[in-house]
Parts: sequence; C-alpha cells; structure tokens
Amino acid sequence: KQEVTQIPAALSVPEGENLVLNCSFTDSAIYNLQWFRQDPGKGLTSLLLIQSSQREQTSGRLNASLDKSSGRSTLYIAASQPGDSATYLCAVRPDSGGYQKVTFGTGTKLQVIP
Amino acid sequence: GAVVSQHPSRVICKSGTSVKIECRSLDFQATTMFWYRQFPKKSLMLMATSNEGSKATYEQGVEKDKFLINHASLTLSTLTVTSAHPEDSSFYICSAHSATGKKTEAFFGQGTRLTVV
Repeated sequence: KQEVTQIPAALSVPEGENLVLNCSFTDSAIYNLQWFRQDPGKGLTSLLLIQSSQREQTSGRLNASLDKSSGRSTLYIAASQPGDSATYLCAVRPDSGGYQKVTFGTGTKLQVIP
Repeated sequence: GAVVSQHPSRVICKSGTSVKIECRSLDFQATTMFWYRQFPKKSLMLMATSNEGSKATYEQGVEKDKFLINHASLTLSTLTVTSAHPEDSSFYICSAHSATGKKTEAFFGQGTRLTVV
C-alpha cells in the first residue's frame, strides 16, 4: 500500500526566504506526482505535475523535482510571499492496473510572515 | 486543462437529512471518478471509486449505505450523504479521469464543505 509522507508538517518563514517542502513515497512504481495548494476552507489548486519520466518541473517561483528511485520529491519556493501561505499537498498516482487512485500526502502547512 | 465542476461548494444541513453532491466533467467524458474526504487537519482520504454504469467500489471502513454514489453518465457522478450527522461534517472532493484509457492528469473539483448542525 502506497504511503505518502510530507515533512515538515508545518513551516513558518519570513517573507522573501527560499524554502523547500519534502514529499516521500514508499512505492516507487508511480505514474506521476502532483503538487497542490489548498487554502483554508477551499479546494485544491494544482501547482505542478511531474511525470515519472521527468526529473523536474518549473512554474514561476516554483520548482518541483522528482527522484523516483529514492521515492522523493521536493517543492522549492523561491522568494516566498505572504500569499504563498497555504497547505501544500503532494499526491502520487500508481503505475499499475486500471485504477488511477491518487494517494495524497499528509500536507505541509506553510505560513509566510510579512 | 480539463474542468471538473463540483456543486455545491458549501452546504449546511440539519441532522437526519440527506445531502447530494454533484461532480461533473465539463469538457471530457469520465468513466471513473473518485470521491475523497478530508477530516480536520488531516489529508485527503479516498472514500470510493465511482464507475460509470456499475456499482461504486468503496474503501475499507466507508459505509456504502451511508455514502451513496451514483455514476449514471460519463459526465456526472453524485455522492449522497444519507441521514447526515454532525460527524459527517467534512470537506468532500471528487476527481475525474478521461474515458480514453490513456493515463492523463487527474482533474479535481473545487470541493464541498458540508456542515451538519
């Protein structure tokens, strides 16, 4: 059974700082990995999707990397802003069978202090 | 990207009543949709897999008579929380996948915040 863990569970940083969020998964047979942000009481916003054959994806100040063999992904946020405050979730999809169930990580709650 | 619409976004209901949540794929056909639930300060947990034209597959510990799922068309799945109780208050979200068989990105609805009073 796939297990996805995110460290740290919570993070508080001053505005402008660069930061890294970590995601680890136990079964490396994944099809892709996706990073989301969730604002309090809101739904999910997709940030970056990395296919299993890719090593990284970039969008603006965000960069996500994937090391499938070691079961790890990182989300790098450059020059953090108060608007980045949210909970960040990573999710993996299996590379087997007809089912495409997504397993979500435990989340990292980020607070960027002005 | 593809769009998944979930309705309503928020609902407050009285204990004992039933609530229906809709999940629609707006610009693609989805043979499979998934329903997730998020407990306070917890991550999203898969509740069930909704298959068009057949019975849903529920995860262990999820009461199928409590959470009725219907996937009557290739663009619509519904989750009905029957005889809701305060402990059913939660955030529910669906995701949909295309019917082509190609493993594409999972598209998520915006979620429904259910409060049972």
